[in-house]
Amino acid sequence: AQSVTQLDSQVPVFEEAPVELRCNYSSSVSVYLFWYVQYPNQGLQLLLKYLSGSTLVKGINGFEAEFNKSQTSFHLRKPSVHISDTAEYFCAVKDAGNMLTFGGGTRLMVKP
Amino acid sequence: DADVTQTPRNRITKTGKRIMLECSQTKGHDRMYWYRQDPGLGLRLIYYSFDVKDINKGEISDGYSVSRQAQAKFSLSLESAIPNQTALYFCATSGRQGAFFGQGTRLTVV
Repeated sequence: AQSVTQLDSQVPVFEEAPVELRCNYSSSVSVYLFWYVQYPNQGLQLLLKYLSGSTLVKGINGFEAEFNKSQTSFHLRKPSVHISDTAEYFCAVKDAGNMLTFGGGTRLMVKP
Repeated sequence: DADVTQTPRNRITKTGKRIMLECSQTKGHDRMYWYRQDPGLGLRLIYYSFDVKDINKGEISDGYSVSRQAQAKFSLSLESAIPNQTALYFCATSGRQGAFFGQGTRLTVV
């Protein structure tokens, strides 16, 4: 069985500051890793994914994440956030059988 | 056209009523899922289907049923709706490149 833990339920940050949203997972098999974003009153959309290769993955809107196998982490980062980044962010893992497991979500609140 | 389409987008229903939420996808994926989202609880899996003949319960399947009418269609039913089923429901389909979600159905049971 696999599980995903997002360590922070809410992250307040000022505009133009850097941000890191943490994600740790547990799985007994190799996994693929994803970050999804949900803007207010909208569905989820894919932000970025790690399937294989380089452990540093770049996504849309200036976000990036680094896969750390030894620490079983996949933290999401952005060097300078905007008000428009205010949203809920979900980390997810998927095993070879294509089962998706989500973390509980982190609400990013960007303040002016 | 959207990859995953859910209908209806919003629904208010009364306690005890039967309601069906529909989902269709154009990705050609075999795997489809129904999740519900509640504040602070993230996304929880209700049912999933690996193909038309393979349907499985998720972590919170009680009170729900599903039907996989075709590869592209996966519907979720609440046989007798209750207020604690008020939530945002998402349908998704997945392949190796990731999961694709519908826009969600906001269901309110009064």
